[in-house]
Amino acid sequence: DQQVKQNSPSLSVQEGRISILNCDYTNSMFDYFLWYKKYPAEGPTFLISISSIKDKNEDGRFTVFLNKSAKHLSLHIVPSQPGDSAVYFCAARSYSGANNLFFGTGTRLTVIP
Amino acid sequence: SQTIHQWPATLVQPVGSPLSLECTVEGTSNPNLYWYRQAAGRGLQLLFYSVGIGQISSEVPQNLSASRPQDRQFILSSKKLLLSDSGFYLCAWSGGLGGYTFGSGTRLTVV
Repeated sequence: DQQVKQNSPSLSVQEGRISILNCDYTNSMFDYFLWYKKYPAEGPTFLISISSIKDKNEDGRFTVFLNKSAKHLSLHIVPSQPGDSAVYFCAARSYSGANNLFFGTGTRLTVIP
Repeated sequence: SQTIHQWPATLVQPVGSPLSLECTVEGTSNPNLYWYRQAAGRGLQLLFYSVGIGQISSEVPQNLSASRPQDRQFILSSKKLLLSDSGFYLCAWSGGLGGYTFGSGTRLTVV
């Protein structure tokens, strides 16, 4: 059962505009959420995270929003740049156990110059 | 600082041949280690994880196996590869700011 879902497999955005990537989860016990960025033929790299006690975290052009009541988080990239083109994975962490990070299926973002 | 190494970067193997992918972690002790696969157009599928030497948990029944002969070494193996084993394999350890830190991956093509 997929506990973390990214319903949009792909997204195209013009350079300079905002990119919004969405993620939904089902387990209310998740306490920490992360976004990873992955280029082809490379491993995913950590981008930004948010604790369940917050509703927003900002790091430069990247902002993550968390809506716990809706079990929804989103990643905003403003302004989008061609180098942002990659696959973005949403992940949610449960509070215990070794197998405690659950990934979404990813969204491929293409930023058009 | 902690680093994770994974090799080889690419591999082309015939059907029925064996497989051995290796992953090592430096700068940490007793890490939780993970093997993931990203099939074409799909997300990250957890294959195995390990909390210590000789301790392997399998998430998906398949043609692959994993072993952890040393604290910071994690090996993914197969006795006979299938075409469906093709994919991008990632090793990760549980640590760092991002929860998990991933290796650079191995692109496996079974022909």
